[in-house]
Amino acid sequence: GAVVSQHPSWVICKSGTSVKIECRSLDFQATTMFWYRQFPKQSLMLMATSNEGSKATYEQGVEKDKFLINHASLTLSTLTVTSAHPEDSSFYICSAGLEDTQYFGPGTRLTVL
Amino acid sequence: SQKIEQNSEALNIQEGKTATLTCNYTNYSPAYLQWYRQDPGRGPVFLLLIRENEKEKRKERLKVTFDTTLKQSLFHITASQPADSATYLCALDTAAGNKLTFGGGTRVLVKP
Repeated sequence: GAVVSQHPSWVICKSGTSVKIECRSLDFQATTMFWYRQFPKQSLMLMATSNEGSKATYEQGVEKDKFLINHASLTLSTLTVTSAHPEDSSFYICSAGLEDTQYFGPGTRLTVL
Repeated sequence: SQKIEQNSEALNIQEGKTATLTCNYTNYSPAYLQWYRQDPGRGPVFLLLIRENEKEKRKERLKVTFDTTLKQSLFHITASQPADSATYLCALDTAAGNKLTFGGGTRVLVKP
């Protein structure tokens, strides 16, 4: 139980394009989902908290106009990286909250050329 | 400022031995603490949650202790196996709504 999927698992795009990443809780409903990014050999950094039916809450220093989050249903949240640049290349991981725990997706490797 | 510290040096251990990892925190009063396992290129996998009123918790070969006076959690892998090789992350709840803050993680390498 408590399975979270992410799609795509990896994506390569050109600078200036937008990329959408989907996060789905497969066997439970999640009022709250979270988006993290992780650079090589570093820990997870929370980007934003996504609440179903309301606006996402962004962490300090994260541009909300660049990283658009939509939590349209209790099982789906999307992160759109707009006008991506090479410095946005990273490993993006989502999680879904269930009781006091977060269950993570497998991550999406984004490479911006 | 708030800080969560894990030993950044990799822990090399012989198969069959017990691996012990530490997680220290300052300027937090967490209601619970969690441990996750992360393999390279993958998302973290939840292992154990221990609450502030619990001293110890076990799950199969894993044991976690939580000392709120010392502000420390210890994570033990007994009878370690090469398949236990991974990075282990501790995480604390730092705000309402299940928000977590992660430590830097400790890499464990179990040698056969």
